[in-house]
Amino acid sequence: DAKTTQPPSMDCAEGRAANLPCNHSTISGNEYVYWYRQIHSQGPQYIIHGLKNNETNEMASLIITEDRKSSTLILPHATLRDTAVYYCIVGSPGATNKLIFGTGTLLAVQP
Amino acid sequence: ETGVTQSPTHLIKTRGQQVTLRCSSQSGHNTVSWYQQALGQGPQFIFQYYREEENGRGNFPPRFSGLQFPNYSSELNVNALELDDSALYLCASSTTFGGAAYNEQFFGPGTRLTVL
Repeated sequence: DAKTTQPPSMDCAEGRAANLPCNHSTISGNEYVYWYRQIHSQGPQYIIHGLKNNETNEMASLIITEDRKSSTLILPHATLRDTAVYYCIVGSPGATNKLIFGTGTLLAVQP
Repeated sequence: ETGVTQSPTHLIKTRGQQVTLRCSSQSGHNTVSWYQQALGQGPQFIFQYYREEENGRGNFPPRFSGLQFPNYSSELNVNALELDDSALYLCASSTTFGGAAYNEQFFGPGTRLTVL
């Protein structure tokens, strides 16, 4: 079973920031938080990951709470092409890096 | 740098048949993972290959098997196909070094398998 909880769907206006929440209350000390997204009919795409510090890259920002029990993925200026299912995944770089996907959040960016 | 490629893109088989799906990993990656994604669900981990050996397996029966080749490409074989095997099969490549597998996986576009 997935170790994360996400809302099933969210809407966001084009050009506005999209803030996608994720709860991972059972995360352990060596586990990272990963975000992937899957645009319809395509393979999942890696977005960002973090351990305990906030992270930013060209696609998004990841804010992890101090207790690490939840996080938020921020798309600063959502476009229609950001409409996708977003998956929050907890995992560690162990010997087998299988990703355990939940059902994710369907983000619909509205014009 | 080439991305992950998969072939074929679509495939139709009948129950009881066997199928082979192929994956070429991203340049520089030495680990391949396979996932099954049923309609409306998140991808489910099937297994992973590293150094041409299976290196972890999800909850899938033995009729799901795989191979990894010296160039790190991989095959997924499914025997005795069942209707429930109809799904999108995704291949992902990544890097393992120093005994640690890094979870930044790069996915191919998938193969859509339909079993009639």
